[in-house]
Amino acid sequence: GAVVSQHPSWVICKSGTSVKIECRSLDFQATTMFWYRQFPKQSLMLMATSNEGSKATYEQGVEKDKFLINHASLTLSTLTVTSAHPEDSSFYICSLGYEQYFGPGTRLTVT
Amino acid sequence: GIQVEQSPPDLILQEGANSTLRCNFSDSVNNLQWFHQNPWGQLINLFYIPSGTKQNGRLSATTVATERYSLLYISSSQTTDSGVYFCAVVALSGSARQLTFGSGTQLTVLP
Repeated sequence: GAVVSQHPSWVICKSGTSVKIECRSLDFQATTMFWYRQFPKQSLMLMATSNEGSKATYEQGVEKDKFLINHASLTLSTLTVTSAHPEDSSFYICSLGYEQYFGPGTRLTVT
Repeated sequence: GIQVEQSPPDLILQEGANSTLRCNFSDSVNNLQWFHQNPWGQLINLFYIPSGTKQNGRLSATTVATERYSLLYISSSQTTDSGVYFCAVVALSGSARQLTFGSGTQLTVLP
């Protein structure tokens, strides 16, 4: 299966700052990547579908101006949480491939 | 949208015991996957099984698409099997490859 990396694995930031999370496919070219969010003790919720070379598609209730997604190449998608607030603290996970392969996740804590 | 229900929500086993996890879904699907999320948050793809039966070592899975359910069997459980098991589906009527996750089964295997 595909090997997916995420960077950073965890980050702590202050309220009001922006944080960029990278999702890289190490051995697979992906025209589509997915971003999920997981709150403690809960399931994964799809946030958006990232499309290489075009705009991302956001799920209902996800603010596209707050969660900026860039899919500039077939192996890299980035998620930027802008003006982060404590309620954005969560585990962010990306995936790609038809049989979806997941990155290791990024744990974001906003203080 | 499609609903995915998993049972039981929690399961505690003694090492060596067998278990069955269930996933019910509310609509026709063209993809069903079982994942194991380890304590560090990494999601491991166990089975891609939209229909039929598959086996991999001590794990096996069966999906009866016409009756809208899937079962994950764990035999001779080990402490390393602990974690959360998720079922996720792609609805036949939905956007391609967008997974909808169930709420998961938290499995604890005691030594």
